[in-house]
Amino acid sequence: GAVVSQHPSRVICKSGTSVKIECRSLDFQATTMFWYRQFPKQSLMLMATSNEGSKATYEQGVEKDKFLINHASLTLSTLTVTSAHPEDSSFYICSADARGGENYNEQFFGPGTRLTVL
Amino acid sequence: AQSVSQHNHHVILSEAASLELGCNYSYGGTVNLFWYVQYPGQHLQLLLKYFSGDPLVKGIKGFEAEFIKSKFSFNLRKPSVQWSDTAEYFCAVNSNPGGYQKVTFGTGTKLQVIP
Repeated sequence: GAVVSQHPSRVICKSGTSVKIECRSLDFQATTMFWYRQFPKQSLMLMATSNEGSKATYEQGVEKDKFLINHASLTLSTLTVTSAHPEDSSFYICSADARGGENYNEQFFGPGTRLTVL
Repeated sequence: AQSVSQHNHHVILSEAASLELGCNYSYGGTVNLFWYVQYPGQHLQLLLKYFSGDPLVKGIKGFEAEFIKSKFSFNLRKPSVQWSDTAEYFCAVNSNPGGYQKVTFGTGTKLQVIP
């Protein structure tokens, strides 16, 4: 099946620094990737939709200057948390849209990245 | 805007008991429906999905779900749970099939199976 990886799996940083999280589709091309945030004991909240070669579409309430998304190729999307603060600490999950064939309209999820901002 | 509700937040069952987890969505048009599972320490995995056709969908590990359009429901079932089914289960809905996906997730149901 389709595999999505994320790197790093866990990151601890100081307040005010920026952190980049990578999301890769390993064995398929993904024109669309999604970034979610999962708070403890809560569901996944969609942050933004990342389209290859174009600007990301952010959900209401998500600061685009805070969470920079780049989808430079069909297999890589990055999320950069700029000037991170403790309230940005969370579990960030990406997914990739596998289109075509039996996987049509199905998302494949990465393992997530645990961000802790001190 | 579409929304998804899962009524059971935490379910505790003994092994071999039957399982049914509720999922209701609010959207009047065509939908794609999913159940995902997240085992402890692991990432989300697809259990099953409904796009069209037979409303009774069979997934992996003995799970099935029934799409009842008139009730806007997509409940997950398993006749006999095992300890290894202990996990969190998420129902999800996509109301833009064929277009850009925007999948809305329910709040999840934690299932604990007692040996």
